[in-house]
Amino acid sequence: DVKVTQSSRYLVKRTGEKVFLECVQDMDHENMFWYRQDPGLGLRLIYFSYDVKMKEKGDIPEGYSVSREKKERFSLILESASTNQTSMYLCASSFSTGTDEQYFGPGTRLTVT
Amino acid sequence: QQQVKQSPQSLIVQKGGISIINCAYENTAFDYFPWYQQFPGKGPALLIAIRPDVSEKKEGRFTISFNKSAKQFSLHIMDSQPGDSATYFCAAPQFDSWGKLQFGAGTQVVVTP
Repeated sequence: DVKVTQSSRYLVKRTGEKVFLECVQDMDHENMFWYRQDPGLGLRLIYFSYDVKMKEKGDIPEGYSVSREKKERFSLILESASTNQTSMYLCASSFSTGTDEQYFGPGTRLTVT
Repeated sequence: QQQVKQSPQSLIVQKGGISIINCAYENTAFDYFPWYQQFPGKGPALLIAIRPDVSEKKEGRFTISFNKSAKQFSLHIMDSQPGDSATYFCAAPQFDSWGKLQFGAGTQVVVTP
């Protein structure tokens, strides 16, 4: 079974803190994604990585950065957390092409106070 | 970025009834339209997908219908069961980037006993 794991299920941080969300996949997938899920807005892509050290901005990259030093690991970084970044964050991975299934992790519920 | 418009936002259906969710897209690089299903506390998971040159795909009680000229596709859940209660997301390939999907806002389906 493909497994995508995220470092935390729940996280509470203060405004201005630097926040790291980690994601690991065990299927040697080329592509990895970070999404943000908010009610009524669906899944919005923050960043996409198609290879180690390669990344592409998604629809809402402002306030976020990413790191992919190893194929299996993709990190989302909130440089200075703000209350409007309170959300559910989902990581996903897929093999390589646009028609390959995306496998999602369970999500991290981040609250910024 | 292309938009994928999904409706309705929520749906209540009796057990045994038919659930219908509709999506409309603007442009895609290729015809591939997946539907993802998400249960509370879980990440989304691929439910069913339709690929080029096919106007309908059926898997068990789930059917995707695709109308290329209208740029619309829909999910039909026949004989809806309480276990189908979940949030459903449609998606379409992003026009300008291989590997990325644009997701709809989601439809929360509740099947009453």
